[in-house]
Amino acid sequence: AAGVIQSPRHLIKEKRETATLKCYPIPRHDTVYWYQQGPGQDPQFLISFYEKMQSDKGSIPDRFSAQQFSDYHSELNMSSLELGDSALYFCASSLPLDRGPYNEQFFGPGTRLTVL
Amino acid sequence: DQQVKQNSPSLSVQEGRISILNCDYTNSMFDYFLWYKKYPAEGPTFLISISSIKDKNEDGRFTVFLNKSAKHLSLHIVPSQPGDSAVYFCAASSDSNYQLIWGAGTKLIIKP
Repeated sequence: AAGVIQSPRHLIKEKRETATLKCYPIPRHDTVYWYQQGPGQDPQFLISFYEKMQSDKGSIPDRFSAQQFSDYHSELNMSSLELGDSALYFCASSLPLDRGPYNEQFFGPGTRLTVL
Repeated sequence: DQQVKQNSPSLSVQEGRISILNCDYTNSMFDYFLWYKKYPAEGPTFLISISSIKDKNEDGRFTVFLNKSAKHLSLHIVPSQPGDSAVYFCAASSDSNYQLIWGAGTKLIIKP
């Protein structure tokens, strides 16, 4: 079965550079979530999109922005990278929320970002 | 303040025995709870969930119990198998906020 695809799997950047992470949800999933997991920490919710509109916002820094496109894939844009941005970034997708309030989120393999 | 707590960073269980992973929460607005399993270098994999209208949900070797009055849930794995060795995360959400709030995870080690 198709799963959530994230690219790239690994990314190395220097301080003050920019990075773009991509997420391709499971087919027919229209809701996408972004999470950040720092070393030794639990995942922290960043932002989510439902039907190409931002649906919820968590602890996403102002230096980051994200969007969901017409094909439901999403991109997380990160600017002025800092050392503390080094983390695993997970994307998850779920079925349309109008099919029920309790939809499991299915996660991609993550993108490991290292900021030097 | 941590809204979802997994107080055991690790747990070691003999193969074939029962593994019990615990999770506590503080926010009474949470009404949906999920368990995820995570291997190194992979994303979390959904295991089982339970809504607050139930106190038990079973799927094969996995059973989740919810005690709303105690704000406590547990995941039982029986019998435990070597492939169950992973980090297990408890997560919670509410119908007003679909983002998942995660616990810190418990590393389960199944000994042969």
